[in-house]
Amino acid sequence: DAMVIQNPRYQVTQFGKPVTLSCSQTLNHNVMYWYQQKSSQAPKLLFHYYDKDFNNEADTPDNFQSRRPNTSFCFLDIRSPGLGDAAMYLCATSRDLGAGEKLFFGSGTQLSVL
Amino acid sequence: AQSVAQPEDQVNVAEGNPLTVKCTYSVSGNPYLFWYVQYPNRGLQFLLKYITGDNLVKGSYGFEAEFNKSQTSFHLKKPSALVSDSALYFCAVRDPIKANNLFFGTGTRLTVIP
Repeated sequence: DAMVIQNPRYQVTQFGKPVTLSCSQTLNHNVMYWYQQKSSQAPKLLFHYYDKDFNNEADTPDNFQSRRPNTSFCFLDIRSPGLGDAAMYLCATSRDLGAGEKLFFGSGTQLSVL
Repeated sequence: AQSVAQPEDQVNVAEGNPLTVKCTYSVSGNPYLFWYVQYPNRGLQFLLKYITGDNLVKGSYGFEAEFNKSQTSFHLKKPSALVSDSALYFCAVRDPIKANNLFFGTGTRLTVIP
């Protein structure tokens, strides 16, 4: 009965080879987020969608893009992965935007770059 | 700018003893504070939040947290630790002005020793 599902659990790609990570949700939430979490560091917000409106964090590299074709699905595209992009990527949802909203997370995708 | 500090990377406690996981925050306005837990191979799960009202907040699995404005702290507590509480705990803060971004600490690994 997982509510936020990320596939795959582990992803290996080569330096410079585009890669896409997937996230789906069964909660019908308006907001979907992508976080990057490097080893022993805090999760860092890359961007979020409020419905179809895309919101990029100011310090998110251009190498990272996202798509949300419908309410249920959201994708993270890394156009030319570098070694520094190896990390856990977490997808999360919330019902709405608001300071008190809690986030629902997927299990994450661990990305390795060779 | 918003930030969260979790001063302890690792906390060990004996089963049945009380536990405390520390968190301090910095935010320009009134803070919205959260605790999340991450079990192995699982996504982050919401435990509890402080928005306003009573400084002592009760959450899931018997956890509670105390908001202390003068010390800018939001420590997580439980009266009697269980082995199953062993996990990675994240404190997070949200600025009500820029509500889209939840700022996480680096996490504290709690180990409950049987």
